[in-house]
Amino acid sequence: DVKVTQSSRYLVKRTGEKVFLECVQDMDHENMFWYRQDPGLGLRLIYFSYDVKMKEKGDIPEGYSVSREKKERFSLILESASTNQTSMYLCASIKGSGREAFFGQGTRLTVV
Amino acid sequence: GQSLEQPSEVTAVEGAIVQINCTYQTSGFYGLSWYQQHDGGAPTFLSYNALDGLEETGRFSSFLSRSDSYGYLLLQELQMKDSASYFCAVRGPSGGSYIPTFGRGTSLIVHP
Repeated sequence: DVKVTQSSRYLVKRTGEKVFLECVQDMDHENMFWYRQDPGLGLRLIYFSYDVKMKEKGDIPEGYSVSREKKERFSLILESASTNQTSMYLCASIKGSGREAFFGQGTRLTVV
Repeated sequence: GQSLEQPSEVTAVEGAIVQINCTYQTSGFYGLSWYQQHDGGAPTFLSYNALDGLEETGRFSSFLSRSDSYGYLLLQELQMKDSASYFCAVRGPSGGSYIPTFGRGTSLIVHP
């Protein structure tokens, strides 16, 4: 069965902390994505990667960075967490030129 | 860039038929997808249209008109479990990958 796993379902961090959100997929997919989901705003793309060590900015990359050292793992980094980064973060993967995105269960991050 | 418009909320009664519309503006288009997300859950893929016309999958159908930049998701024989958020997503090119850009989502509420 296809699986995208995010390391935490819930996280509470303090303002200014460095935060790592981890995502692992077991489907050998080339493409991986980080979205944030906020009420009324839908899913907004933060960063994506189409290959190991490759990364591209999405629509809202400010305040975030990413790392993809291995094909199966895509990490989202909040260099200095702020309260406006409180959100649901969703990781997704897609195989090659495939049409279907597979999502993880999401990480609900609260920055206090 | 890409933008998508869909209604924020739709209500219907059990057993009825409901249509969720999606209009899009995009600089590159490969297809329109639909995803379902229950509260607290991950988005899951429902359907994909690359060509004009209707695609049917059980109780769900999806339609695309590329000339009108318009599509819809049709849900028949509504059930209570269909209460969820529904997102349309445009699949467009970026660099070496195909990036799904999501609409803001439509909350479907099914009443008994």
